[in-house]
Amino acid sequence: AQKITQTQPGMFVQEKEAVTLDCTYDTSDPSYGLFWYKQPSSGEMIFLIYQGSYDQQNATEGRYSLNFQKARKSANLVISASQLGDSAMYFCAIKAYNTDKLIFGTGTRLQVFP
Amino acid sequence: KAGVTQTPRYLIKTRGQQVTLSCSPISGHRSVSWYQQTPGQGLQFLFEYFSETQRNKGNFPGRFSGRQFSNSRSEMNVSTLELGDSALYLCASSLTASGDQETQYFGPGTRLLVL
Repeated sequence: AQKITQTQPGMFVQEKEAVTLDCTYDTSDPSYGLFWYKQPSSGEMIFLIYQGSYDQQNATEGRYSLNFQKARKSANLVISASQLGDSAMYFCAIKAYNTDKLIFGTGTRLQVFP
Repeated sequence: KAGVTQTPRYLIKTRGQQVTLSCSPISGHRSVSWYQQTPGQGLQFLFEYFSETQRNKGNFPGRFSGRQFSNSRSEMNVSTLELGDSALYLCASSLTASGDQETQYFGPGTRLLVL
């Protein structure tokens, strides 16, 4: 079975500062993928970044980077230069090989203030 | 390229009724998955379809069913609605669902309210 744990129900960050959202996971699958999604108040889940279990380098996508520590089973999302539009719920998720079944964490509500 | 579309966006039903939700995946995507999101249970996987076959099913009662058509469009049906079925239902699509890196792209969701 797979499990995602997000221990931060809410986070505050000032505009233009960096913020780290925590995610730890548990899985018995040898090959898996880790994803981060953003969910604004409108409800749509927006894909941000992906990290494969065998990737040697941490993933980056623009202002988003993933701090992947396989031995610790953590996949923290780092948002640099926060913007007001980054205020939203952020979900970490894990997917095993050959399935589309995503297991999500409980999410972190990020609020960016001026 | 158009994203994942879901219809209807909002729905109000009463207990005991049934409802059908529709999802059109991104053009070329053959895998469709459904998720239920509630404040109490969070995001939960419902089912996954690929090439008209259900590949995976979450832990939901038999009142929840789905299907996929030859054009990859998918529908999910909930019969005998209960108050607890009130939720945001999200549909996601991916190219093939093979490999651990296959990214799923989500639609805007259907908000169902059961009275």
